[in-house]
Amino acid sequence: LAKTTQPISMDSYEGQEVNITCSHNNIATNDYITWYQQFPSQGPRFIIQGYKTKVTNEVASLFIPADRKSSTLSLPRVSLSDTAVYYCLFGGATNKLIFGTGTLLAVQP
Amino acid sequence: DVKVTQSSRYLVKRTGEKVFLECVQDMDHENMFWYRQDPGLGLRLIYFSYDVKMKEKGDIPEGYSVSREKKERFSLILESASTNQTSMYLCASRIDRNYGYTFGSGTRLTVV
Repeated sequence: LAKTTQPISMDSYEGQEVNITCSHNNIATNDYITWYQQFPSQGPRFIIQGYKTKVTNEVASLFIPADRKSSTLSLPRVSLSDTAVYYCLFGGATNKLIFGTGTLLAVQP
Repeated sequence: DVKVTQSSRYLVKRTGEKVFLECVQDMDHENMFWYRQDPGLGLRLIYFSYDVKMKEKGDIPEGYSVSREKKERFSLILESASTNQTSMYLCASRIDRNYGYTFGSGTRLTVV
């Protein structure tokens, strides 16, 4: 069963860069790595997806080392509204994605 | 943007009732999924479907069934609701395994 490991929680202050690392030791060769953000009482929202090296979009960057056994989501200059749970996941052996327990990021003023 | 719509935001049902949770997506996605989310347990996959009339069990299918008669609609059925099925239910869709999910807003079901 595809499994990811992330820190349970992280604290930060407004304006800081936050890096959340996830390990996924049994990722398959053709799996993509995806990160989601979830606010209370809402469905998860897609943030970014990558296969290798670095991907950047308007909200985040994703760093994936050559062995692809981990990935790091980087959020530049976080604000209070970035307080949420962040999930990393990958495809696994089948079409379904398995969510871990996620990382609760708490941003303080 | 893809939109995934869940028919109810909040539902309260009695033990033993048959419950239907409806999900519709508007972008012709092949794959649709039902998850439930509980505190401390994260999101757990109940069922998924990769085509019309096709379905596969997820990790916790017991007590649930699904129906996919049309590509855009994926229904989750609780045959006889029980209190341990009180949860947030999330529907999602995606084009294929190389793309991310789009989730609905969720249905918070309370079984009393």
